[in-house]
Amino acid sequence: AAGVIQSPRHLIKEKRETATLKCYPIPRHDTVYWYQQGPGQDPQFLISFYEKMQSDKGSIPDRFSAQQFSDYHSELNMSSLELGDSALYFCASSGGTGARLGNTIYFGEGSWLTVV
Amino acid sequence: AQSVTQLDSHVSVSEGTPVLLRCNYSSSYSPSLFWYVQHPNKGLQLLLKYTSAATLVKGINGFEAEFKKSETSFHLTKPSAHMSDAAEYFCVVSYADTGGFKTIFGAGTRLFVKA
Repeated sequence: AAGVIQSPRHLIKEKRETATLKCYPIPRHDTVYWYQQGPGQDPQFLISFYEKMQSDKGSIPDRFSAQQFSDYHSELNMSSLELGDSALYFCASSGGTGARLGNTIYFGEGSWLTVV
Repeated sequence: AQSVTQLDSHVSVSEGTPVLLRCNYSSSYSPSLFWYVQHPNKGLQLLLKYTSAATLVKGINGFEAEFKKSETSFHLTKPSAHMSDAAEYFCVVSYADTGGFKTIFGAGTRLFVKA
């Protein structure tokens, strides 16, 4: 079965550069979540989208932005990268929100960003 | 291979009764274990975590979990369910690996609370 696809799996950037991570949700899933997990840290929720609109916002820095496109894939853009941005970035998707409590959230394997 | 298994995809309890959400893990390393809760349209919220200290871990909202190495389990419990506990719960394992560290999420357990 198709899963959540993230690309690239590994990315190395220099400080002050820009990085873009992509997330392809499971087909027919309309909700995408982004999480950041630093080394030895808990995963931190960044932002989520439902039907191409931002639905919730967590601890996402102002240097980061994200959007969900018409085909429901999402991109996380990170500018002016700092060493502390080095982390594993998870994307997750689900089939809906709100009253549809039966929807399970599926996670991708993550994208490793290393800032040097 | 490392893995996390949440033994129930759905759990239904009545308000005021105990909650038990089961999680088993497989890890060759000394893992950190977490429970997260996710309400609809919200990000993951950390309930509690185990990082090789006390085996009985207390978290927020009255939840607690016990790390049992012999059983490779980390079940989540709460003495008395509240309607606001209805959500999806994720058991998560994190461990150091040669390439850095890895995090594995369980498939989730949907908790329903009946009035």
